[in-house]
Amino acid sequence: QVQLVQSGSELQKPGASVKVSCKASGYTFTSYALSWVRQAPGQGLQWMGWIDTNTGNPRYAQGFTGRFVFSLDTSASTAYVEISDLMPEDTAVYSCARFSSTWHYAFDYWGQGTLVSVSS
Amino acid sequence: QSVLTQPPSVSAAPGQKVTVSCSGSSSNIGNNYVSWYQQLPGTAPKVLIYEYDKRPSGIPDRFSGSKSGTSATLGITGLQTGDEADYYCGAWDSNLSAFVFGTGTKVTVL
Repeated sequence: QVQLVQSGSELQKPGASVKVSCKASGYTFTSYALSWVRQAPGQGLQWMGWIDTNTGNPRYAQGFTGRFVFSLDTSASTAYVEISDLMPEDTAVYSCARFSSTWHYAFDYWGQGTLVSVSS
Repeated sequence: QSVLTQPPSVSAAPGQKVTVSCSGSSSNIGNNYVSWYQQLPGTAPKVLIYEYDKRPSGIPDRFSGSKSGTSATLGITGLQTGDEADYYCGAWDSNLSAFVFGTGTKVTVL
């Protein structure tokens, strides 16, 4: 069965970096694009962008350029988002979500989410 | 802020029906497919509706979707306590070249 399993919670200090992983299983990793979604505490869902798992080409949404980097390890069927120069306002749950290949622009599977807390 | 607007909350008694609206524009709902997601407390979102009105396998027919112009609507009939959750619409926005989520609606079963 399809699964997206993310790395565990992180507590980091302002100015540090963090790398969140999303390991896929149960399907051909390179056949489906992956998105990253942020949800700040008590807030709604915010699309951060997506990565073409076939080419490795990332596309970032407005507000997620510069400090955010999407990457892949296709040999491990794993996607990553790295956030540098962390700020307290980066405190949120970060989730990966798979774009369906048959439904137009819909996410059919989600990771469980990774809480990143930024505090001094 | 989001380009898709939803009411902050809706409520109804068990067994009743609720509708959740999602208002957008021609660059998103008007010309691109809408999907709906349910987020139970403390869990990841789950897709309920895709391509405006289609249900994935396993989603009960109590959940329905529709679209009219630049707005979409999620309907939930036979409301159950287990339906208490946050609901989000989503669509591709051609002007932003980005996927956009709605502001989210909390459904409460009275």
